[in-house]
Amino acid sequence: GENVEQHPSTLSVQEGDSAVIKCTYSDSASNYFPWYKQELGKRPQLIIDIRSNVGEKKDQRIAVTLNKTAKHFSLHITETQPEDSAVYFCAAPSSYIPTFGRGTSLIVHP
Amino acid sequence: DTGVSQNPRHKITKRGQNVTFRCDPISEHNRLYWYRQTLGQGPEFLTYFQNEAQLEKSRLLSDRFSAERPKGSFSTLEIQRTEQGDSAMYLCASSLRENEQFFGPGTRLTVL
Repeated sequence: GENVEQHPSTLSVQEGDSAVIKCTYSDSASNYFPWYKQELGKRPQLIIDIRSNVGEKKDQRIAVTLNKTAKHFSLHITETQPEDSAVYFCAAPSSYIPTFGRGTSLIVHP
Repeated sequence: DTGVSQNPRHKITKRGQNVTFRCDPISEHNRLYWYRQTLGQGPEFLTYFQNEAQLEKSRLLSDRFSAERPKGSFSTLEIQRTEQGDSAMYLCASSLRENEQFFGPGTRLTVL
């Protein structure tokens, strides 16, 4: 099965700084890599995803980069805002079943 | 609200009792997933349906757990003889395309 490692577990930044969260995976057949944001007491919500045929995807202040050779992908948030504070999860599928990372708690200080 | 819905939102039960949760996916979605999430962890996969067929089942799903999706629409997850270790948030997700999932609000189970 797939093994997904996510780092760091906690990330504290000042408002306006950038934040980067990295995930590594083990199954070279994985071809879809989503990132979810989960606010306290709420459901995980998809914020951005990338498929293996591209190396980078951007959506306003959020970007995801993928290195298939090294089997890692990263979430980049620029110009962070207090409302970005949440737990972020990466996921990678193996045989269509996603394995989630353990999450990164992002704290943005105003 | 046309998103994924789950009922009940909270369930408190005594050890040894049976509980059943319901998930209503987004109407055109043919894929449905159940996950369990505990504090400080990511969602852990439990089982997966494509239409009414249960295609995958995690080793985490002991014989006390059963899931159904009888008509390929809503799904139920039953836990028999609950244990304190079953206390968790049970999340349902649905998708139309391969891999792109939308989550429900979850059912928080507390076993006393």
